[in-house]
Amino acid sequence: SAVISQKPSRDICQRGTSLTIQCQVDSQVTMMFWYRQQPGQSLTLIATANQGSEATYESGFVIDKFPISRPNLTFSTLTVSNMSPEDSSIYLCSAWRQGGATEAFFGQGTRLTVV
Amino acid sequence: AQSVTQLDSHVSVSEGTPVLLRCNYSSSYSPSLFWYVQHPNKGLQLLLKYTSAATLVKGINGFEAEFKKSETSFHLTKPSAHMSDAAEYFCVVSDQLSGTYKYIFGTGTRLKVLA
Repeated sequence: SAVISQKPSRDICQRGTSLTIQCQVDSQVTMMFWYRQQPGQSLTLIATANQGSEATYESGFVIDKFPISRPNLTFSTLTVSNMSPEDSSIYLCSAWRQGGATEAFFGQGTRLTVV
Repeated sequence: AQSVTQLDSHVSVSEGTPVLLRCNYSSSYSPSLFWYVQHPNKGLQLLLKYTSAATLVKGINGFEAEFKKSETSFHLTKPSAHMSDAAEYFCVVSDQLSGTYKYIFGTGTRLKVLA
């Protein structure tokens, strides 16, 4: 298994500002992903964080709004830019280690409230 | 394209009675299927997984799921509900053969256990 730490665990932000969420895995992983879980809803994949290259975004998500970095095999960041109240959600980091585990591991999530 | 349908958004059972949470999937390839549980304000925990081995999969906390290809179903069951089982349950499909490893989440089923 892998342990995933996310920071911050929660934050309250003013609209128009940006927040960067950090995701640290305790071992090298092949794949890292970012999900959004809006209140009372399921998880939606935002993007796949690719090491050393631009992230791959899902339909409805764009790099200008959700820039992602992945400088190495254990770390990634997601920035929520120019926030509005509609961005209030839980953001989760996920990781997958290819060739070993066959399931993804999830961080505890970052609960973001935009006021 | 892959998709997951969780047929019930809410399920209520009495403590000590059986639990059935229904999930149907659609996948172009041989899917991997998972059930995750999310307790309030907690992270996602893997209950069990199907990855083309035995069709009856046993998980943690007494949960089981049976993969039925002919019915494209992967229903989650437990013989006897416990109060601690009250949580949100997500059925997930993943296509590993294509190498994308992306998870597609169902909309979730909220399980309520009555005393």
